[in-house]
Amino acid sequence: EAQVTQNPRYLITVTGKKLTVTCSQNMNHEYMSWYRQDPGLGLRQIYYSMNVEVTDKGDVPEGYKVSRKEKRNFPLILESPSPNQTSLYFCASSLVAQNEQFFGPGTRLTVL
Amino acid sequence: SQKIEQNSEALNIQEGKTATLTCNYTNYSPAYLQWYRQDPGRGPVFLLLIRENEKEKRKERLKVTFDTTLKQSLFHITASQPADSATYLCVFNTGGFKTIFGAGTRLFVKA
Repeated sequence: EAQVTQNPRYLITVTGKKLTVTCSQNMNHEYMSWYRQDPGLGLRQIYYSMNVEVTDKGDVPEGYKVSRKEKRNFPLILESPSPNQTSLYFCASSLVAQNEQFFGPGTRLTVL
Repeated sequence: SQKIEQNSEALNIQEGKTATLTCNYTNYSPAYLQWYRQDPGRGPVFLLLIRENEKEKRKERLKVTFDTTLKQSLFHITASQPADSATYLCVFNTGGFKTIFGAGTRLFVKA
């Protein structure tokens, strides 16, 4: 089944404790992206990747890092999480940037 | 910066009626727009894509229009059903690789 998976689905952590949210797609897509969704603000793009080893900042990249060492994986790293990073996070992929995006199930992160 | 505006107020309609949602954009002229549906706590699901040279596009009960002069896209659901209740998102790419989402409009269809 073609899909985008994210792990963990739910995470509660404390300020400053490094964490990684994994994202994997099995559709051989070139484009992958991370979004955060907050009430009233909609989805905002954090980082995106056009292909392996090619990444760039979205609208809200501060406090996040990404890497794209393999085509299928695009992990999101929070080196020192803060409470303002409490949010619902979605990973997405598409064949190329301009195509329809397939979204993962989301990761609900709470930073205390 | 590029911006998408969708009606933040929820839209309440009666089953069987046509729902019309509006998407306005500023500071950019996208080559195409996409519409997605999102249910609470779930990831968005793609519905339709319309290009700037396509004035209208249809898929079953869905219709999208794209007016580049008004900088507006309209999304219509005809013969609406309670199962159509969800949040609908308007999206475009900035011509490069950055994706801009509108905040979405919540639709409630009453039986």
